[in-house]
Amino acid sequence: AQSVTQLGSHVSVSEGALVLLRCNYSSSVPPYLFWYVQYPNQGLQLLLKYTSAATLVKGINGFEAEFKKSETSFHLTKPSAHMSDAAEYFCAVRPMDSSYKLIFGSGTRLLVRP
Amino acid sequence: GAVVSQHPSRVICKSGTSVKIECRSLDFQATTMFWYRQFPKQSLMLMATSNEGSKATYEQGVEKDKFLINHASLTLSTLTVTSAHPEDSSFYICSARGLVVGNTEAFFGQGTRLTVV
Repeated sequence: AQSVTQLGSHVSVSEGALVLLRCNYSSSVPPYLFWYVQYPNQGLQLLLKYTSAATLVKGINGFEAEFKKSETSFHLTKPSAHMSDAAEYFCAVRPMDSSYKLIFGSGTRLLVRP
Repeated sequence: GAVVSQHPSRVICKSGTSVKIECRSLDFQATTMFWYRQFPKQSLMLMATSNEGSKATYEQGVEKDKFLINHASLTLSTLTVTSAHPEDSSFYICSARGLVVGNTEAFFGQGTRLTVV
């Protein structure tokens, strides 16, 4: 079964610092991979997705992620954190079947210090 | 475009009563809808997948008689929590996938926080 592991339930950075949120997947076949952001008491907003095209994927709000097959990773980065980036971030995998359902990681809460 | 709306956003109900949550695709036809459950400070767990006009497919461990899902039209799916108990208190999120030009992924609703007292 496919799964997603997010290392670090909490990540704290200073405003203006680099953001790095880690995600590793387990799959024999490279799946589709996603990063979502969730603000308190809200649904999920898609940041970016990897669908076997370019390995470096650029998303909204200045975020990007790089798919590394050799490391089975899809880490999320942003060069300079803003206070408004403070939220919960979820990495997800979509199996290469026709279900379109998502399997989510445990989430990482990003804290941004002024 | 591609907006998914959930109603209500918050609901408090008494133990033993039933609660219905609606998920609507406002500007596209949703051929498939997904219902997720999220416990506090935890990830989303898929409960069931529903395709318009057919019975929902439930994930292992989810009680289909407890969580009734109806997807009677291409723009509406409902989740009914029957005989709710405090342990059913959670954040329920739907997502919908359908015929959106240039996009094959599902869009998420804003979620419903259910509190059973």
